[in-house]
Amino acid sequence: DQQVKQNSPSLSVQEGRISILNCDYTNSMFDYFLWYKKYPAEGPTFLISISSIKDKNEDGRFTVFLNKSAKHLSLHIVPSQPGDSAVYFCAASAFAGGTSYGKLTFGQGTILTVHP
Amino acid sequence: DARVTQTPRHKVTEMGQEVTMRCQPILGHNTVFWYRQTMMQGLELLAYFRNRAPLDDSGMPKDRFSAEMPDATLATLKIQPSEPRDSAVYFCASGTRGIASPSGNTIYFGEGSWLTVV
Repeated sequence: DQQVKQNSPSLSVQEGRISILNCDYTNSMFDYFLWYKKYPAEGPTFLISISSIKDKNEDGRFTVFLNKSAKHLSLHIVPSQPGDSAVYFCAASAFAGGTSYGKLTFGQGTILTVHP
Repeated sequence: DARVTQTPRHKVTEMGQEVTMRCQPILGHNTVFWYRQTMMQGLELLAYFRNRAPLDDSGMPKDRFSAEMPDATLATLKIQPSEPRDSAVYFCASGTRGIASPSGNTIYFGEGSWLTVV
């Protein structure tokens, strides 16, 4: 049972355009969501996060949107740059007190390619 | 620049051999995680510790895998005996819990140990 799904295995975008990566989840207990970026032969690096009390969080070129009713979140990258080419993982966590901390459930990842 | 350190970076071993992967969490972090990445399963949680105590290892095959934290600066993941299906990238991650805030859920990953069992 995959609780976090990234249905697009890959996305190709032209430099300067917007990249939109999508993520759906099924567990209504999830209340904290994160995006990680991963380059080949490296570990995932934290990119941006959002709490369920918000519907939008912005950090520079990166914005994450959360639609709780649809159990859907998306990551927007504007403008996209070739250096953004990587695998992007969506992750979710249920902050139900101490034992759940950091127990992130990850999606399968989306390979983003930004063409010059 | 604080980072999670994992060794070995790459390991090729024969089926049936014991494999031990080591992780040094970021200094001051009290929570350590082991994740495994495969093509089929994506990133899956194997085990995690807080203050060196195991909190959850339900994602780990119990018969051949074991995870320990001998001290606050070292976490180990052992596979004995190893099998070809264990071939994957094993990531260690660490974090520190914020003060009753979801933002404390951000964790930081090491570069991974690439395991190939032939």
